[in-house]
Amino acid sequence: AQKITQTQPGMFVQEKEAVTLDCTYDTSDPSYGLFWYKQPSSGEMIFLIYQGSYDQQNATEGRYSLNFQKARKSANLVISASQLGDSAMYFCAMREGSPQGGSEKLVFGKGTKLTVNP
Amino acid sequence: ETGVTQSPTHLIKTRGQQVTLRCSSQSGHNTVSWYQQALGQGPQFIFQYYREEENGRGNFPPRFSGLQFPNYSSELNVNALELDDSALYLCASHRLDTEAFFGQGTRLTVV
Repeated sequence: AQKITQTQPGMFVQEKEAVTLDCTYDTSDPSYGLFWYKQPSSGEMIFLIYQGSYDQQNATEGRYSLNFQKARKSANLVISASQLGDSAMYFCAMREGSPQGGSEKLVFGKGTKLTVNP
Repeated sequence: ETGVTQSPTHLIKTRGQQVTLRCSSQSGHNTVSWYQQALGQGPQFIFQYYREEENGRGNFPPRFSGLQFPNYSSELNVNALELDDSALYLCASHRLDTEAFFGQGTRLTVV
């Protein structure tokens, strides 16, 4: 079963507008972490934002915020005031495994290609 | 920049050959993970090294192997290359229970 689902293969947004990228996840572990990464055409995965499963508040980092709805198992990324440089692939990922000396791995979705139009 | 450096950036190999990819982790990070990203897909976890020991492995055959050195840099070795091994290989370094920082990747083409 797919653990991270990103249902939007591509999204378009006008410059300066806000956009929401969807992510749903599946896990039976009560402790997990959710991440969003940006991947420009150069290939590097750039960390954007993190939400822990026990965090009470939604995470925010500058223009990025994470709309975390635990009961619905969704962790949508909101980008405010889009810029041309935001055009890239965006990946949602979930960390599995015990951080106490055990293996940690990130499970990624298939990504959403965001295009910001001038 | 994340401080994670991978080499080479691009590589072309022939089917059946062996390849070694290298990763220098960010200062202070004792954990390195390797991922394979096929075209149009999200990255897939290959394995992870923590303090020079492999401590987790994804669904990859034994011909994918690795090393971590005392300075926490790492190598990914792939033997008997197959056409399907063509992908972007990403290295990520982190301390346990913190976000992973990725390098720019190595694009491997197997012909």
